[in-house]
Order: sequence, then C-alpha cells, then structure tokens
Amino acid sequence: SQKIEQNSEALNIQEGKTATLTCNYTNYSPAYLQWYRQDPGRGPVFLLLIRENEKEKRKERLKVTFDTTLKQSLFHITASQPADSATYLCALLPYNQGGKLIFGQGTELSVKP
Amino acid sequence: KAGVTQTPRYLIKTRGQQVTLSCSPISGHRSVSWYQQTPGQGLQFLFEYFSETQRNKGNFPGRFSGRQFSNSRSEMNVSTLELGDSALYLCASSPNPVEGRETQYFGPGTRLLVL
Repeated sequence: SQKIEQNSEALNIQEGKTATLTCNYTNYSPAYLQWYRQDPGRGPVFLLLIRENEKEKRKERLKVTFDTTLKQSLFHITASQPADSATYLCALLPYNQGGKLIFGQGTELSVKP
Repeated sequence: KAGVTQTPRYLIKTRGQQVTLSCSPISGHRSVSWYQQTPGQGLQFLFEYFSETQRNKGNFPGRFSGRQFSNSRSEMNVSTLELGDSALYLCASSPNPVEGRETQYFGPGTRLLVL
C-alpha cells in the first residue's frame, strides 16, 4: 500500500541544537516533496520544495535532503529557537495520481530555551 | 496582498444538515484546492479548481462537492453531514495549477463540528 510517514512522536530539543525530522514514503514516485510548518489554529505555511533530481536544498537555517533510493526526506533546522516550535508536515506530489498532493501526519517539534 | 480568507472560521452543525464553506484566494491566484484535516487522517486532499473547472478530486464521497466562481472565489459543500465530517477544512490558493502546487498558500481554515 502507499504510505507517507513522519515521526509520530513529538520531538523535544534544546535551543541552539539541530532538529532533524524524517519523512519516509512507500510505493510513491514523487515528482517533488515539500515541507510545511503549521501552528495551532492556523493553516500550513510552505517552507521548502525539493525535486526528485535534487539531493539537498537550503534556505537560511533550514535544510532538506531527498534520497529517492531510501525513499526518505530529512528536514533540518539548525540553531533551533523556541519560535521554531510547531508541527512540520511533509507532502509529496506523485506522478500519475491526478495532481493530488499527499501529506504526512506531521511531527510536532518543541524547542526548549 | 491580503492572504487567503475563509469564512466562517467556526461552525457547529448537526447530523443530516448541510454546510457551505467559502474561500477567497489571494488576488490574482486562479487555482484553489480544498483539504480536510483531522487528527486521525491528517491532511487529505478534497479537490482542486482552476478557471471554474474541477481539475483534480480526492477520494471523498459525493456528499462533498465544490465550485469556483469567475472571480476565483470557491465554495465547498457537504451534504447530509456525519459525525466524522468534523474537521478543519483548509483552502489553499496558487497562481496556476501547473506550477501552482509548488507554492500553495493556505487560509486559516474553517473548524466544523458536527453534533
């Protein structure tokens, strides 16, 4: 069956450390993968997109990697801050699925001062 | 530019009723997608509209329908509400459907509670 999975448990880290979130998928051929941030009571906010032929993307303190062999994307936040506390969602756009964006369940990140 | 707006923000209905939710995309955006978010199933794609035409549809029953107007505003309707329809309904807009999903802008959502 097709699945997209993120760490179900909340991730608690200390301020200043690097947070690493995982997104694994099975039986999808993604054209690209996206990462979003969602705060309570709000809609998701787009952060980064990485295409199937890209290995790594960076934006300020954010870094995304994409390994199509492992079928995995890693999302890193370096020098994390309490303001980074939120739920992070990964989403992929599969080929031949009629343009439907498929989301993971999200991982809640808590950065303690 | 104003962001995506959704109305109403909160809604309480009873089983069997029907509901209509509204979404106004960012000015100039012509593609609107709808999603349902629940704690159990996460964010699930409902449908996408572009130029008043439904381009893509998720795996939801026919009770869920939508439409888009010439000004790109969109509505979604759920008929014969069930308890399981309680969810956050999110609307997202993008400039066009080809590259659009690469930069989707979400609204704050409508929280629907079915009693």
